[in-house]
Amino acid sequence: KAGVTQTPRYLIKTRGQQVTLSCSPISGHRSVSWYQQTPGQGLQFLFEYFSETQRNKGNFPGRFSGRQFSNSRSEMNVSTLELGDSALYLCASRISGGQETQYFGPGTRLLVL
Amino acid sequence: ELKVEQNPLFLSMQEGKNYTIYCNYSTTSDRLYWYRQDPGKSLESLFVLLSNGAVKQEGRLMASLDTKARLSTLHITAAVHDLSATYFCAVDPIETGNQFYFGTGTSLTVIP
Repeated sequence: KAGVTQTPRYLIKTRGQQVTLSCSPISGHRSVSWYQQTPGQGLQFLFEYFSETQRNKGNFPGRFSGRQFSNSRSEMNVSTLELGDSALYLCASRISGGQETQYFGPGTRLLVL
Repeated sequence: ELKVEQNPLFLSMQEGKNYTIYCNYSTTSDRLYWYRQDPGKSLESLFVLLSNGAVKQEGRLMASLDTKARLSTLHITAAVHDLSATYFCAVDPIETGNQFYFGTGTSLTVIP
């Protein structure tokens, strides 16, 4: 069974630009969550989507947004990039939620210059 | 504010030794997860603990959960170099639902 895939794997942007990251969950998984990982703040929850609906949102500014498509693939968008947005962005999927673990993708490493 | 704290943050141990990583959390949760992350890699699921007193073992790693004390432990037995990685615990509180809160991580280095 194929794992969670994320594209692109690496990205360099400049301040003020916007970026879109993509995540394809494991087949059959309908829940997709996004996390930001930085050395200073650790792993922080961004949002979670289930069946095309945002079910939960973390404490991030409105510049961070996401969506999920009918095939469960998800995208997250960051507008007006800031230097502090440089991070590893991880996507994780699970079947629906509840008492299941999450399966993580390889991540997209974003560098904002 | 919900907190998930791990200690120690850094752990250097010799091969063959035993040690325990602690994960304390501040919310009511009967769901606790352990993950491993190798440098430059993503997170790999190790254990899922779903009730008070749950114990899971895989190889040299054993995880347990005490929901009353809001404490989980990850015990390493006879460490080997391959266990060098960063270990994270995470909780999925019932009140927030579907939102994982991760601990600070414990960076483990096993020295030959």
